[in-house]
Amino acid sequence: AQKVTQAQTEISVVEKEDVTLDCVYETRDTTYYLFWYKQPPSGELVFLIRRNSFDEQNEISGRYSWNFQKSTSSFNFTITASQVVDSAVYFCALWLGDSSYKLIFGSGTRLLVRP
Amino acid sequence: ETGVTQTPRHLVMGMTNKKSLKCEQHLGHNAMYWYKQSAKKPLELMFVYNFKEQTENNSVPSRFSPECPNSSHLFLHLHTLQPEDSALYLCASSQDEGRTTDIQYFGAGTRLSVL
Repeated sequence: AQKVTQAQTEISVVEKEDVTLDCVYETRDTTYYLFWYKQPPSGELVFLIRRNSFDEQNEISGRYSWNFQKSTSSFNFTITASQVVDSAVYFCALWLGDSSYKLIFGSGTRLLVRP
Repeated sequence: ETGVTQTPRHLVMGMTNKKSLKCEQHLGHNAMYWYKQSAKKPLELMFVYNFKEQTENNSVPSRFSPECPNSSHLFLHLHTLQPEDSALYLCASSQDEGRTTDIQYFGAGTRLSVL
């Protein structure tokens, strides 16, 4: 079965704290891609990152970093020194290269950053 | 601004009404998607169009009728909806819905309430 699990429904932190959003995926495909999207209150999903299954190198983009570990089927997202503008719902998604052309989304994690 | 515009942003309709949701993308993409986002459920893919042809209907009830007159425009015609159809309807586009994992760009959605 192909599935994405974001076990954290809601996280609340105080500004400047670091926060990690968890994502665990299930697939038997050997070729797949993982995504993170951000959904601010305005509604649109904003693309953050895409990572393919053959590239386990972690990535850093400003205050954002991603930790991809195939051994645990996880693709976690860390925000360093969180800001109020980071408040949003964050979705992890899985795209399968061999068996489907669909994006399978997790249920999302709502992040609230308090001033 | 993601380059994908959805109108209207909010819609309230009765169960006997007929209405349409509109999506327009200014990105030169060839694939367009409709998703449904209900409270506490993962995003559900509804329809996919690639080069104006429908390539995916994810077992969507016939009271939802998509139309894609060209690669830039996508409509979702609604009739005799049920209260459980109340949700945020998101449109997305990508370069192609082929054997590559294109990034999907999303609009801000139409918040639909069925009374």
